[in-house]
Amino acid sequence: AQKITQTQPGMFVQEKEAVTLDCTYDTSDQSYGLFWYKQPSSGEMIFLIYQGSYDEQNATEGRYSLNFQKARKSANLVISASQLGDSAMYFCVLKGGSYIPTFGRGTSLIVHP
Amino acid sequence: DAGVIQSPRHEVTEMGQEVTLRCKPISGHDYLFWYRQTMMRGLELLIYFNNNVPIDDSGMPEDRFSAKMPNASFSTLKIQPSEPRDSAVYFCASSPSGNNEQFFGPGTRLTVL
Repeated sequence: AQKITQTQPGMFVQEKEAVTLDCTYDTSDQSYGLFWYKQPSSGEMIFLIYQGSYDEQNATEGRYSLNFQKARKSANLVISASQLGDSAMYFCVLKGGSYIPTFGRGTSLIVHP
Repeated sequence: DAGVIQSPRHEVTEMGQEVTLRCKPISGHDYLFWYRQTMMRGLELLIYFNNNVPIDDSGMPEDRFSAKMPNASFSTLKIQPSEPRDSAVYFCASSPSGNNEQFFGPGTRLTVL
């Protein structure tokens, strides 16, 4: 069975600072993918970043980077230089060999001016 | 491309009525997913299709729920009869392959009175 754990229900960060959103996972699959999505208050789900289990380098997409520690089974999202528009729910997602996505419960991020 | 299209965006109905939610995936995407999101349960995968064939429907809550994908460009999720506890936001998402990121539609907010 697959499992995603996001232990931070809510996070606060000052504008322009960096923030790390935690995600740990569990799977018996050797090949899998980890995804992060953002859901602002308007409700849409926006794909941010992807990390494959065999990727040797951490994924980066603009201000987003994924701190992938395979041995610890963690895939933390790092947002650099936070902006007010980063305030949203953030979901960590695991997809294994069955292609069935497993979502975490999410972390609510609030960016203060 | 217009992205994933869902209709209606909002639906208010009375208990016992039939509800049909519609989804048009992105052209060329072979995978289609239906999700339900509530505050209590988070984001739940209901069913997913590969090449119009239902692959896993273990998330469908009960027999009142049914989903079809008659062709590559259209899918429906039907609830009959609807109950107040079905009130939620229902998302449709499509993906070009099983291990790619999913592209979400804007969601349908369903309220059953």
